[in-house]
Amino acid sequence: GENVEQHPSTLSVQEGDSAVIKCTYSDSASNYFPWYKQELGKRPQLIIDIRSNVGEKKDQRIAVTLNKTAKHFSLHITETQPEDSAVYFCAASKTDSWGKFQFGAGTQVVVTP
Amino acid sequence: NAGVTQTPKFQVLKTGQSMTLQCAQDMNHNSMYWYRQDPGMGLRLIYYSASEGTTDKGEVPNGYNVSRLNKREFSLRLESAAPSQTSVYFCASSAQGPTEAFFGQGTRLTVV
Repeated sequence: GENVEQHPSTLSVQEGDSAVIKCTYSDSASNYFPWYKQELGKRPQLIIDIRSNVGEKKDQRIAVTLNKTAKHFSLHITETQPEDSAVYFCAASKTDSWGKFQFGAGTQVVVTP
Repeated sequence: NAGVTQTPKFQVLKTGQSMTLQCAQDMNHNSMYWYRQDPGMGLRLIYYSASEGTTDKGEVPNGYNVSRLNKREFSLRLESAAPSQTSVYFCASSAQGPTEAFFGQGTRLTVV
């Protein structure tokens, strides 16, 4: 089955700097890659996603890149703010898996003022 | 629009007790899921239901059972709780196919 590895497990950045989280996946049939943000005590919520027919997607300060050949995808947060502090999860899914997701272990991001 | 609603939010059980976690969604989604979240391990799939009337095991199904009561509701049952089942449980739903999953607010379960 699919295996998703996520690095780093913790990331501390100064406010205004950029943060990058990387994930690798094992199943070349995976074609949907969402990123979820989970604030302390809250539910995971989608912040951005990318499908395998696209190499990059941006939404304001957040961007995701996908390298299908190398089977990895990354989340980029620019101009970080204290409210970006949270746990971020990457995930992978594919068309014939009925929407089942394999999640990475998560990255704790701490933005210090 | 409530989205995905789980009950209860918190529960403490003694070893060997049973309980059912309830989940309902109002987005007319076909697929529903139960995940457990443990520190450093991300979200692991317990069971899922691709559509009304079907359920399948996920990555960590042992000790759990599920029921897809109708299109809206998907319950998770612990028949004989064990301390290893102490976790935060999330229900989620999505439209058919690989697309965004919406999560409930979670149930924090402690088994003593």
